Amino acid sequence: AQSVTQLGSHVSVSEGALVLLRCNYSSSVPPYLFWYVQYPNQGLQLLLKYTSAATLVKGINGFEAEFKKSETSFHLTKPSAHMSDAAEYFCAVSDRGGTSYGKLTFGQGTILTVHP
Amino acid sequence: EAGVVQSPRYKIIEKKQPVAFWCNPISGHNTLYWYLQNLGQGPELLIRYENEEAVDDSQLPKDRFSAERLKGVDSTLKIQPAELGDSAVYLCASSPRQGSYEQYFGPGTRLTVT
Repeated sequence: AQSVTQLGSHVSVSEGALVLLRCNYSSSVPPYLFWYVQYPNQGLQLLLKYTSAATLVKGINGFEAEFKKSETSFHLTKPSAHMSDAAEYFCAVSDRGGTSYGKLTFGQGTILTVHP
Repeated sequence: EAGVVQSPRYKIIEKKQPVAFWCNPISGHNTLYWYLQNLGQGPELLIRYENEEAVDDSQLPKDRFSAERLKGVDSTLKIQPAELGDSAVYLCASSPRQGSYEQYFGPGTRLTVT
């Protein structure tokens, strides 16, 4: 079964600093990978997804993530944090085929705090 | 385009009472998901529908949980009877077609069982 681990349940950065949220997956076959953001009392919003050969994926709000097969990682980054980036971020994985096609398995989430 | 609509947004009930949540997916989306999100954790899939057919309900606790999606549009998730451990956020999501990797989430229903 697919699984994903997010290192660090809380990350705190200063406004303007680099944001790095870590995600590692476990799978014998490279899966499809996603990052979602959840603001308080709201549903999840897709930030970006990896489903193709392009290993560097750009998403909304200036975020990007790089798929590294050798490290089984899909870390999320943003060069300069903004106060509005404060939210909870979830990494998710999906099989490319089989009976679990399209089924998402989420990590436990990382709460990002941005301070002035 | 309207997003996924869920109601109610908040519900407080006493244990052993029944409760129901309603979801209206994005128009034209054939795939509908119900997720459970416990505090401090990621969502966990309860059930997935393709049109009106439940194609994956392996994680649904069938002794107390039930779901339906009549006519392949709106869906209702029910708990009867509710237990204290059911306190969580129940999220509904939809996708435009089977196997689509883009899921659009509603705001969720926060259930508190006292």
